[in-house]
Amino acid sequence: DTEVTQTPKHLVMGMTNKKSLKCEQHMGHRAMYWYKQKAKKPPELMFVYSYEKLSINESVPSRFSPECPNSSLLNLHLHALQPEDSALYLCASSQDPGGGYEQYFGPGTRLTVT
Amino acid sequence: AQKITQTQPGMFVQEKEAVTLDCTYDTSDQSYGLFWYKQPSSGEMIFLIYQGSYDEQNATEGRYSLNFQKARKSANLVISASQLGDSAMYFCAMREEWTGGFKTIFGAGTRLFVKA
Repeated sequence: DTEVTQTPKHLVMGMTNKKSLKCEQHMGHRAMYWYKQKAKKPPELMFVYSYEKLSINESVPSRFSPECPNSSLLNLHLHALQPEDSALYLCASSQDPGGGYEQYFGPGTRLTVT
Repeated sequence: AQKITQTQPGMFVQEKEAVTLDCTYDTSDQSYGLFWYKQPSSGEMIFLIYQGSYDEQNATEGRYSLNFQKARKSANLVISASQLGDSAMYFCAMREEWTGGFKTIFGAGTRLFVKA
């Protein structure tokens, strides 16, 4: 099983809503990542979890709150988002957080903030 | 500061021909990893090929090969025998160690169009 799954596929939310994005992998990977990708742009790293601990936060606004309940799951809690937060949110995992390991990406959640 | 440069916003190639997608990088580290990913219109990023900075041989994976020229800091992707399904966005990426762990930085991407 080399799959990373993400739910939901699409999400429309108002600026006062609270929602969560979910990501799951069953490859035994010990590093998981959240990326944000705007249209026609490359993915931008948001967070890195290494062995279930947050290791990198790329100065992401606090309205985005990551959570790693266990080694297979990664959540991104959303609250009071702005329209400019509309984007494709990609989750990824890698066998190890080290440098020589490729990342496996999920299909993404297309988020629209109204 | 590190940087990945992909100078070709768009490329066209005839089906069954080979195509080279350019990538240059900038780093002062001795140890780093270089990756290429494919992103079809569906949005999912697909890993294609990896080259470590200490690898002496160019990486190959099926129809994909990476032309690694360390002194020139370039890591071009070569796709042989292009297929219609190769039409997608291609990202070059570099992985470097930062405070707290490793980060992957992506280039701006090259959109490849394969013509029948």
